[in-house]
Amino acid sequence: QVTLRESGPALVKPTQTLTLTCTFSGFSLSTSGMCVSWIRQPPGKALEWLVLIDWDDDKYYSTSLKTRLTISKDTSKNQVVLTMTNMDPVDTATYYCARIPPNSSGYHFDYWGQGTLVTVSS
Amino acid sequence: SSELTQDPAVSVALGQTVRITCQGDGLRNFYANWYQQKPGQAPALVIYGKNNRPSGIPERFSGSSSGNTASLTITGAQAEDEADYYCNSRDSSGDHLDVLFGGGTKLTVL
Repeated sequence: QVTLRESGPALVKPTQTLTLTCTFSGFSLSTSGMCVSWIRQPPGKALEWLVLIDWDDDKYYSTSLKTRLTISKDTSKNQVVLTMTNMDPVDTATYYCARIPPNSSGYHFDYWGQGTLVTVSS
Repeated sequence: SSELTQDPAVSVALGQTVRITCQGDGLRNFYANWYQQKPGQAPALVIYGKNNRPSGIPERFSGSSSGNTASLTITGAQAEDEADYYCNSRDSSGDHLDVLFGGGTKLTVL
């Protein structure tokens, strides 16, 4: 079965760089059309898409955050890594990784990790 | 880039039908997808594409679209349907690809 799990620090200080890892199983990111994305949700607020990486190593970033984000994949380890620089308290949120299956014209997320809460505070 | 707009809150009497809408220019070109999120849980996909339900999603959930508006309909709402609902789609206006989420609709089942 398909599973995704986020891991990383629960607390980061302002100006630090956040690194999160999404470890997945049940599918391969080398399969044509497969994508993995990061999405976040501040407490009590809406979902916000951050970035996407596809099977061909193409990367698509949120316009508003692209200068701070980097995504990479390690297909052999079934992992996708997100880094976000210059963290600020407003970046406090639950960070999710999620899968977009092949042939999804509307980019739907069919499997999600349980999310990891990241708090930015000194 | 485009936005997706949802009503913040909607209520429905138990067993009645409710429609949750999502508006955005990008929906003229791409279908919306819908997610249900209960407190403390990750979102769960309930409708994707034209009107497709993932395995395990009850038949009372359906999707439709007209012009720039997508709708999620719950026919015969149950108490367990009380949750936040989010729409999402893609936007490829200009030379940039974006993935959009609506602001969410809190559904209360009375």
